[in-house]
Amino acid sequence: QVQLQESGPGLVKPSETLSLTCTVSGGSISPHYWSWIRQPPGKGLEWIGYIYYSGSANYNSSLKSRVTMSVDTSKNQFSLNLNSVTAADTAVYYCARGGWYEDFWGQGTLVTVSS
Amino acid sequence: EIVLTQSPGTLSLSPGERATLSCRASQSVSSNFLAWYQQKPGQAPRLLIYDASSRATGIPDRFSGTGSGTDFTLTISSLEPEDFAVYYCQQYGSSPPNVFGQGTKLEIK
Repeated sequence: QVQLQESGPGLVKPSETLSLTCTVSGGSISPHYWSWIRQPPGKGLEWIGYIYYSGSANYNSSLKSRVTMSVDTSKNQFSLNLNSVTAADTAVYYCARGGWYEDFWGQGTLVTVSS
Repeated sequence: EIVLTQSPGTLSLSPGERATLSCRASQSVSSNFLAWYQQKPGQAPRLLIYDASSRATGIPDRFSGTGSGTDFTLTISSLEPEDFAVYYCQQYGSSPPNVFGQGTKLEIK
């Protein structure tokens, strides 16, 4: 059974960079797509983007100027960087397997943007 | 960008009843690439249906998905207590982005 676990700071200051890593266990990161999805408190789901195990990525156009994703196949991990964050980026961030629909999800990690 | 509108916003039903949730797209969803997820409080979403009508692994057969083009439906044939949750549709036919609907809350009447 594939399992995913997000890790990273739970508090980020405004204008700084939010950095999260997702560690995949129980399966290989290749040859799959991997996604990041977020959910502001009490609100719905927003797709951030996906990355292929080879490193090619596609991002939500609304976030594209601030998002970078990367993959480390040797560690079975993939990562999200979101720069110039504001309070509007406060959300639970989920990593998941899939570039279209997502069949395995991490438990999610709350990231709060506040000074 | 395709916009997905789910209705109703909240659905109040009793265990044993049939639930019908709607997801309407602002334009045709390519190849019926539409998924449904269930989310319970404090949990990650769980994939129920993909490609509009295919059940994900381990999903009970009381969950079914139908539809094509712009109109899609998730039906739960006989509600179990554990089915009360928020349900989201997602299209991935015109990607990126993979758009989600705003959700339907299924609550116990």
